[in-house]
Amino acid sequence: GQNIDQPTEMTATEGAIVQINCTYQTSGFNGLFWYQQHAGEAPTFLSYNVLDGLEEKGRFSSFLSRSKGYSYLLLKELQMKDSASYLCAVLMTTDSWGKFQFGAGTQVVVTP
Amino acid sequence: DGGITQSPKYLFRKEGQNVTLSCEQNLNHDAMYWYRQDPGQGLRLIYYSQIVNDFQKGDIAEGYSVSREKKESFPLTVTSAQKNPTAFYLCASSELSPGYNEQFFGPGTRLTVL
Repeated sequence: GQNIDQPTEMTATEGAIVQINCTYQTSGFNGLFWYQQHAGEAPTFLSYNVLDGLEEKGRFSSFLSRSKGYSYLLLKELQMKDSASYLCAVLMTTDSWGKFQFGAGTQVVVTP
Repeated sequence: DGGITQSPKYLFRKEGQNVTLSCEQNLNHDAMYWYRQDPGQGLRLIYYSQIVNDFQKGDIAEGYSVSREKKESFPLTVTSAQKNPTAFYLCASSELSPGYNEQFFGPGTRLTVL
C-alpha cells in the first residue's frame, strides 16, 4: 500500500532552524512536494523535488533521496508566521497523471 | 486573477440531507480533485477528473458523487450515505502533463452535519 510518514508535531523558537522529515513508500514516484497549511486554510506550495539533492528557496530548503524514500524540509530563521502544518505529498506514477498521496502533516509551533 | 473558488466557506446541514459543494477554477487546468481533511490526518482523495465528462473514484469515494460537465467546474455532492460527513473539504486543480504537476487548492469548505 501507500505510506507516507512524517512527525506529528515539532516545536522550535523564533530564529532557530527546524528540519521536518518525510519517508515514503508508494507504488510509483514522479516527484515530492511540500505544502504549508495554516489552520482552516488551503495548502500552499512550498517546494518540489524530483531528482536527488537539495533545492533551496530563500529560508526554505528541501532535500530528496529517492533510493532511501526520504525527504526533508528545512526551515531556517524561523518566524512566528511559520507556525503551520507542513504536508509532504508524493506525486505517484500511475495511469492517471496528477494523483497525489499526502502525509498527515507536521504541525510546527514557533515560540517567542 | 486566476484561481480556484469554493463556496460556501462554512456549511451546516441536518443529518440525512444531501449537500453540494461547489468548485470553480479559471486556471484552464484539465485535472480537478476533491479531498477531505480530518483533524490530525492528511488529505484523502475522494474523486478526481482529468477531462470533461470523465472522473474516477479516489480512496474514499463511498457516499460522495461528482460531475464534470464543464472544464472549469467540479461540484461534489455529499450524500446521506456518507456516514461521517463533517470535515474540511478541499478542491484542487492541476495541469495534466508528464513531470511537474503542482496542485493549486481552493480555500476549502468546512461542512458540519448536525
